[in-house]
This record gives sequence, structure tokens and C-alpha cells, in this order.
Amino acid sequence: ETGVTQSPTHLIKTRGQQVTLRCSSQSGHNTVSWYQQALGQGPQFIFQYYREEENGRGNFPPRFSGLQFPNYSSELNVNALELDDSALYLCASSSGGGQGYTFGSGTRLTVV
Amino acid sequence: QQQVKQSPQSLIVQKGGISIINCAYENTAFDYFPWYQQFPGKGPALLIAIRPDVSEKKEGRFTISFNKSAKQFSLHIMDSQPGDSATYFCAAGDRGSTLGRLYFGRGTQLTVWP
Repeated sequence: ETGVTQSPTHLIKTRGQQVTLRCSSQSGHNTVSWYQQALGQGPQFIFQYYREEENGRGNFPPRFSGLQFPNYSSELNVNALELDDSALYLCASSSGGGQGYTFGSGTRLTVV
Repeated sequence: QQQVKQSPQSLIVQKGGISIINCAYENTAFDYFPWYQQFPGKGPALLIAIRPDVSEKKEGRFTISFNKSAKQFSLHIMDSQPGDSATYFCAAGDRGSTLGRLYFGRGTQLTVWP
């Protein structure tokens, strides 16, 4: 059973709206990454947070933003939703030190 | 540009057979190569990972073979079972840059017939 919990599991939004996705990591996991997985594709790195600061970003526009909190939870915010934002959004956390990443089950976002 | 190329896109294997999935990369800075298994409706789960200082790593029925000079690595699933039917992703990461950013392949959908 994964130690990373994401909510909600499914979400439908209208184009132009804003959305907030949430992730609760395992205790001690001070590194969290967010990925976007389009249907039939591998996950694409959005950004990473380490000790509450963003320390890496993929090829995603600024309307994708995030937050990490001291209690090992984090958020992904997407503004001005576009149809192409429809995807599975995955949160992954790690305790660092060369350990692997544990992924949550994701949030399926549909933009209509 | 796809940093990690994965093949085949789909694979059908009979129960008890060997499943082989191949990946290639270009960035020589990559120093961490995990394989993930993903079932429908679930997030990817780490199966096995290798670092470039070894050529092979085995965990149960799963083996990673790594060829540093060719910049290729592969996953072998021995004695494949119907429960292994899932999508498999290879990935590569450079722990020296963004701590743990992973570049994923496009995935291989494995079907194991009973």
C-alpha cells in the first residue's frame, strides 16, 4: 500500500477555471515531485519541491504552480485550465539520499 | 526531445515465458535507472533500479541489464505470469542536478496469456 495519498481521485473542470490538487507524503519524505501523465504516455516532470522550496522545473508554463508544507503535504495549482491539461497528475515523494520515489495513485483531471 | 526511448510499445508473452523490454538514453549524466510498473487506475510502482557502476541487478524474477557504453538498459521478466500484465516504464535520472527529476520512456504494455 502506497504511503503517498492524493486527492481528489477524479475531477472535472471547465476550460479557464483553476484547480488545486493535493498530496500527502510519507513522514520524513522532504522531497516531492509532481508529474503529468497524458493518456498512453509516460509521466512528464512538472516541478520538484525540497524543504518547501521549488528546486527544479520541467517544461511547464507558470500557470502550473505548487506549494509544499512542513507536514509533508503539498499542492499543485493550475490556473486558466486548457483542454490539453486533461491528464493523470501524479505526486511522488522521497526521503532523498539516493532512495527511490514513491508515487501516489494520482488525480485524473478532465478539462471540458 | 525524448530523453529515454523505450521499446516495444506493446508485448504479448505466454505464461512462463520471458518478457524483455529495452530502453536507450543519450544523456551521459544520468546515473539512476529505475523501472516502474503501473496498473490501470494506479500510480507507477518502483520495481527495480540500477546505477551505472553495475551491469546487472536481479530481484526475484526481475533483472535489469545495463550497458553503459551502448547507453542501453533492459528489463527481463522471467517466468512471466498473468499478474505481471501491466504497463512498464523505464526512467533515467541525474541525481546531481534536480535531485531526483526522472525522465520516463513512453511505456510498454505487457500482456501475459495464461
